[in-house]
Amino acid sequence: DQQVKQNSPSLSVQEGRISILNCDYTNSMFDYFLWYKKYPAEGPTFLISISSIKDKNEDGRFTVFLNKSAKHLSLHIVPSQPGDSAVYFCAASTGNQFYFGTGTSLTVIP
Amino acid sequence: GAGVSQSPSNKVTEKGKDVELRCDPISGHTALYWYRQSLGQGLEFLIYFQGNSAPDKSGLPSDRFSAERTGGSVSTLTIQRTQQEDSAVYLCASSSRASGANVLTFGAGSRLTVL
Repeated sequence: DQQVKQNSPSLSVQEGRISILNCDYTNSMFDYFLWYKKYPAEGPTFLISISSIKDKNEDGRFTVFLNKSAKHLSLHIVPSQPGDSAVYFCAASTGNQFYFGTGTSLTVIP
Repeated sequence: GAGVSQSPSNKVTEKGKDVELRCDPISGHTALYWYRQSLGQGLEFLIYFQGNSAPDKSGLPSDRFSAERTGGSVSTLTIQRTQQEDSAVYLCASSSRASGANVLTFGAGSRLTVL
């Protein structure tokens, strides 16, 4: 049973515009949500996280929004840059367990 | 070390052979995880070690899979009698919960191809 879902396998955005990546989850017990970025032939690298007690966390060009009533979170990247092209994984954790989505491949077009 | 190290980076083996994949976590990290990513799939949890506690093996797909962690540091994932469906990238991650989020730091992975 997939507890974390990323329903868009791919996304293309023009350089300078906003990229919005979406993620849905089913378990209301998750206490942290994280986004990871993965380049080919590398392991995923941590990007940004948000606690379940917050609804927004911002770090430079990256902002994560959490809507607990909808069990939905999103990652906004603005402005998008070609170096942002990668696969983005959404993850949710409770205690020491992590659940990952299937990833969204972002392509930023110069 | 500075990061999570995994070896080998690539492994090609014949069906039926055994393979061992190694993970060297970040020094001082008490938690160690194994995940795998099959082609076109997300990250699938395999096993979790925390300190000296019994590991959480709930994600291991069959009894051909086993893992150990010696001295609370290096971990080895062993796959016996490999099958073609075992082909995947095997990712190791470690973490040390500080304040706030428990963040996993991943290695670059071991790509396993079973012919």
